[in-house]
Amino acid sequence: GAGVSQSPSNKVTEKGKDVELRCDPISGHTALYWYRQSLGQGLEFLIYFQGNSAPDKSGLPSDRFSAERTGGSVSTLTIQRTQQEDSAVYLCASSLGSLSGETQYFGPGTRLLVL
Amino acid sequence: ILNVEQSPQSLHVQEGDSTNFTCSFPSSNFYALHWYRWETAKSPEALFVMTLNGDEKKKGRISATLNTKEGYSYLYIKGSQPEDSATYLCASINTGTASKLTFGTGTRLQVTL
Repeated sequence: GAGVSQSPSNKVTEKGKDVELRCDPISGHTALYWYRQSLGQGLEFLIYFQGNSAPDKSGLPSDRFSAERTGGSVSTLTIQRTQQEDSAVYLCASSLGSLSGETQYFGPGTRLLVL
Repeated sequence: ILNVEQSPQSLHVQEGDSTNFTCSFPSSNFYALHWYRWETAKSPEALFVMTLNGDEKKKGRISATLNTKEGYSYLYIKGSQPEDSATYLCASINTGTASKLTFGTGTRLQVTL
């Protein structure tokens, strides 16, 4: 079926505003991941959902970041009171299960620019 | 090695040249290594998942090797084509870290005619 989709593809916001980024994983994939790439940096893990288990939030950089996954499918990453250092490409990925050898399939990303 | 490191940072080759890049990763508690190709304005595309020491994988003109004891992987491209131009990312997973990928900063390849 269709790959991982993300929206919006680009987002420009003012410092202090809240933003929501959406991810639609591949149908049937139980694991969902959020990563981000800041300028000049490698992709950085943010949060991981697996089925109905509690998410692994260990990569979230501050309490301004939160994410939820409704019905085991769509996920929303919310950034409150955005700061300029939040500017990055935010990537979502999904995999069939949570085995470490499984391929993670990535969406095209949301490019966030905080002015 | 505490982090995943890739070299070179960027590379510019002519069409038809063969090339290779290096990925260094923590060898302790190693579980798996992933290679991705990321073209501008597209999604990162999975190339290989490698787990065993000595593993060699091939996909068309692209191949990869893995040395888990010394903590490195090589990605080879034979007869580079302009469509190979992309950023090549490697990412490792260690035991005990679930499926969290730790990425290198990538090698940006540009292939010109």
